[in-house]
Amino acid sequence: GQSLEQPSEVTAVEGAIVQINCTYQTSGFYGLSWYQQHDGGAPTFLSYNALDGLEETGRFSSFLSRSDSYGYLLLQELQMKDSASYFCAVRPSYNTDKLIFGTGTRLQVFP
Amino acid sequence: GAVVSQHPSWVICKSGTSVKIECRSLDFQATTMFWYRQFPKQSLMLMATSNEGSKATYEQGVEKDKFLINHASLTLSTLTVTSAHPEDSSFYICSARDPRQGALDQPQHFGDGTRLSIL
Repeated sequence: GQSLEQPSEVTAVEGAIVQINCTYQTSGFYGLSWYQQHDGGAPTFLSYNALDGLEETGRFSSFLSRSDSYGYLLLQELQMKDSASYFCAVRPSYNTDKLIFGTGTRLQVFP
Repeated sequence: GAVVSQHPSWVICKSGTSVKIECRSLDFQATTMFWYRQFPKQSLMLMATSNEGSKATYEQGVEKDKFLINHASLTLSTLTVTSAHPEDSSFYICSARDPRQGALDQPQHFGDGTRLSIL
């Protein structure tokens, strides 16, 4: 089977840094993506890692270690608007863009 | 940027009714689209891959006769929930990748979702 495990909830205050972890076990691996979803809204793409290491996009960074089947999303300088659910997602097959999503992490940012 | 439109955004209907949900790619053509179901405070569960001009590919455990998928054109996929019952109440979301972006690792673009409530 396919599984991507994330912590269910993380809380932090404005201006802080949080890390959301993702450990995966999938039939194949062709990249780890991160999506943000506000309540009642559509998921939006944040970041992508195909190779090991850190990818930085503004306040958000994402890390991947394929040998550990592990990745994380790092959110810096937290803002209230960052309160949302965050999902990691794996593309398990080479010849399709199908994604399998993680269990999701709800981030609450307090003032 | 690439836009995916989903309609309707909200449906309430009686048990036993069939409901059709549309997913359109507005400014690109998509040979494949994906349908997800999401229960409150849970993850997105992939239901099926919609393939333009051919049969959909369903994930394990998803009833093909219950969730009919049609992808008749390069910009439109439809999901029909047949004889819906209260347990089918959920948030249904579609997605597609803009092929103009190149590789398969480019992000999926999601519709705004359809909240389905069966009474």
